[in-house]
Amino acid sequence: QVQLVQSGAEVKKPGASVKVSCKASGYTFTSYGISWVRQAPGQGLEWMGWISAYNGNTNYAQKLQGRVTMTTDTSTSTAYMELRSLRSDDTAVYYCARVVSLGWFDPWGQGTLVTVSS
Amino acid sequence: EIVLTQSPGTLSLSPGERATLSCRASQSVSSSYLAWYQQKPGQAPRLLIYGASSRATGIPDRFSGSGSGTDFTLTISRLEPEDFAVYYCQQYGETFGQGTKVEIK
Repeated sequence: QVQLVQSGAEVKKPGASVKVSCKASGYTFTSYGISWVRQAPGQGLEWMGWISAYNGNTNYAQKLQGRVTMTTDTSTSTAYMELRSLRSDDTAVYYCARVVSLGWFDPWGQGTLVTVSS
Repeated sequence: EIVLTQSPGTLSLSPGERATLSCRASQSVSSSYLAWYQQKPGQAPRLLIYGASSRATGIPDRFSGSGSGTDFTLTISRLEPEDFAVYYCQQYGETFGQGTKVEIK
């Protein structure tokens, strides 16, 4: 079955970087894009950006431009999201999701909690 | 940038009742790009509805979506205990609404 499995929880200090992985299985990785979404504690969903697993093209949310980089490794069917210059308000659960057809997300990874604290 | 506004923020209902959730866009959006997700506590969101009205694989037929232009609706015909959750609308694979919590009355 189609599955996305993310890396484990991270604790980082302000100013550091974090890189979260998302390993896909059960489908042809390069046939779909991957989006990243985050959810701060008790808050709603925030779209962070998208990457084409076919050619590596990206589209990032404007508020994260310059701090976020999304990449893929087609040899391992894995997507990565790196966020730099971390602040306390970056504390959130980070999700990857396969982008299907006209932009809906199915399925989602299980989520990775990133905690930014001094 | 299109903003999606969901209402109400919280819906308090009893099992067996009908739930009607609204998602209003700040400008007209193609219904092809409108999706709904369900999120339960501690879980990742799950796709319920895509293209405004098509149910995703495995979604029970008590869930239905409708609407066009700027006004979209998710209806749960008879609430089951497992349906109490937060629901989000989304357009064009980017913008999410702020969510509607369906809680047990």
